[in-house]
Amino acid sequence: AQSVTQLDSQVPVFEEAPVELRCNYSSSVSVYLFWYVQYPNQGLQLLLKYLSGSTLVESINGFEAEFNKSQTSFHLRKPSVHISDTAEYFCAVSQNTGGFKTIFGAGTRLFVKA
Amino acid sequence: EAGVTQFPSHSVIEKGQTVTLRCDPISGHDNLYWYRRVMGKEIKFLLHFVKESKQDESGMPNNRFLAERTGGTYSTLKVQPAELEDSGVYFCASGRRTGGYTFGSGTRLTVV
Repeated sequence: AQSVTQLDSQVPVFEEAPVELRCNYSSSVSVYLFWYVQYPNQGLQLLLKYLSGSTLVESINGFEAEFNKSQTSFHLRKPSVHISDTAEYFCAVSQNTGGFKTIFGAGTRLFVKA
Repeated sequence: EAGVTQFPSHSVIEKGQTVTLRCDPISGHDNLYWYRRVMGKEIKFLLHFVKESKQDESGMPNNRFLAERTGGTYSTLKVQPAELEDSGVYFCASGRRTGGYTFGSGTRLTVV
């Protein structure tokens, strides 16, 4: 069975500051890893994903995450956040075989303050 | 391409009533998933369709929930009779074989 732990339920940060949202997972099989984002009053959007290859993956809006197999982590980072990054972020994992059922973490609310 | 469409966006019903949620996946996506988020908790898997067949329904809470996918196109999720604990946001997602789905905006269900 797989599980995902997001270590922070809320992260307040000032605009232009760096941020790291932490995610650890457990799985007995190889996995795919994802970060989804939910902006206020909107649905879930895929932010970035690790399927294979380079362990550092990037999104189009400046976020990046690094797959660390030895530490079973997939932390999300951004060097300088904007007010518009205020949202809830979900780390997720799925097996890389079969039905790709995805297991989500509890979410981290990022509040960016001016 | 058009996204995943869910409707209604909101539904308020009384305990004991029936509600049907609908999901229209992205055209060509054989995989369709239903998830639910209750009271700000984790987003929980409900079930997975491959075309019209139920691949995995291990997350369905009980037999008050019935999901169908007609002809491998749109899907419905019926709750009958609804209970207070069924309140939450129901998400539908569709995707191809590799990981990473496209989610709909969700249906917020409130049972009073």
